[in-house]
Amino acid sequence: EVQVLESGGNLVQPGGSLRLSCVASGFTFSSYAMSWVRQAPGKGLELASAISGSGTSTYYRESVKGRFTISRDNSKNTVYLQMNSLRAEDTATYYCATIAPSGDFHDWGQGTLVTVSS
Amino acid sequence: EIVLTQSPGTLSLSPGERATLSCRASQSVSSNNLAWYQQKPGQAPRLLIYGASSRATGIPDRFSGSGSGTDFTLTISRLEPEDFAVYYCQQYSTSARTFGGGTKVEIK
Repeated sequence: EVQVLESGGNLVQPGGSLRLSCVASGFTFSSYAMSWVRQAPGKGLELASAISGSGTSTYYRESVKGRFTISRDNSKNTVYLQMNSLRAEDTATYYCATIAPSGDFHDWGQGTLVTVSS
Repeated sequence: EIVLTQSPGTLSLSPGERATLSCRASQSVSSNNLAWYQQKPGQAPRLLIYGASSRATGIPDRFSGSGSGTDFTLTISRLEPEDFAVYYCQQYSTSARTFGGGTKVEIK
């Protein structure tokens, strides 16, 4: 059974930093791309960042480029999202999701809440 | 970036009725790289359909997807009480994967 578990969400002041972690199990972790999808309160879903199985290829949405860094440690079955220079508009639940070979977001964690506020 | 527009925004139906949800793309979605997700309050999204028409593991056959190019449809043949939720379409035709704004299916 595939399991995905996020952690690291918290209340942080504007301009602050936070690192999210996502541990996955139940599949060959290094074979799958991983992603962070976020959802602002009462809003829809948007892809924040993604990383290939090897870690050599990454994607960032325009609004987080230069501020967020995605990385992974395949020996620990873990993907990270380092978030710097946080803004109020980054407030959201951040979901970690596997990216299936077909390309869809296949398995999701329960999410971790990031609140950026003074 | 491919923009996905879902309609209607809200669908008010009774259990047992048929639900038809639309997703229109601003440009052609290649290889039918389109998925549908269901999200209930306080829960993570769940994959329902991928490849425009393939049901994910464990998804009941009352859920079906169709369409190609720029127009896609999710149909729920007979609504069960647990089907009232928000539904999102999503394209993975490009690395900039995008979601539609969602359709809420509510009890009439």
